[in-house]
Amino acid sequence: ETGVTQTPRHLVMGMTNKKSLKCEQHLGHNAMYWYKQSAKKPLELMFVYSLEERVENNSVPSRFSPECPNSSHLFLHLHTLQPEDSALYLCASSQGGVRGDSPLHFGNGTRLTVT
Amino acid sequence: AQSVTQLDSHVSVSEGTPVLLRCNYSSSYSPSLFWYVQHPNKGLQLLLKYTSAATLVKGINGFEAEFKKSETSFHLTKPSAHMSDAAEYFCVVTGSSNTGKLIFGQGTTLQVKP
Repeated sequence: ETGVTQTPRHLVMGMTNKKSLKCEQHLGHNAMYWYKQSAKKPLELMFVYSLEERVENNSVPSRFSPECPNSSHLFLHLHTLQPEDSALYLCASSQGGVRGDSPLHFGNGTRLTVT
Repeated sequence: AQSVTQLDSHVSVSEGTPVLLRCNYSSSYSPSLFWYVQHPNKGLQLLLKYTSAATLVKGINGFEAEFKKSETSFHLTKPSAHMSDAAEYFCVVTGSSNTGKLIFGQGTTLQVKP
């Protein structure tokens, strides 16, 4: 039990599908993040939410749409993805808002394959 | 601009021998620095954190790192490797803005041989 739970663990979808990734944190943190981890590349920050408001959108394509209904839940809605979007998508949370020195607590990720 | 470079993409050690994973950073101000570990099919876990207090930082599982400002380094060490230490290790530095942007290194894969 990591304190940050992501579902599903694995997802295979076609380019015309619509799916959603879910993240739930049980740590009482007030900031949540989506990261993309591709092979041979550093982690890429996609979205940051603090107190349920988006504070950073790192120029992510519009085919990725985040949603943060409350401080414990974070979603990533996916539609018309491309094969290059195949990656491990990691959710994280932190306490103390989005100060850069707040340690991140990660979920185990969703392995996404776009066919 | 802030950046971080992990000098080795792959390190192989024998069980019971010391571990050294090297990290250099570049920052225009006093950064916070972290080491995270990622085991296969898992998320990242914080090993240790430096935030301008003691320059020698002790972390979990016997790891420690020393902040050396003159060398802009933050190398991770462990006196004796264990098979369970085999994983991917990431050195991380805080970005320039206050928006939660961390700069991740490309990672070092640690292999531990029996």
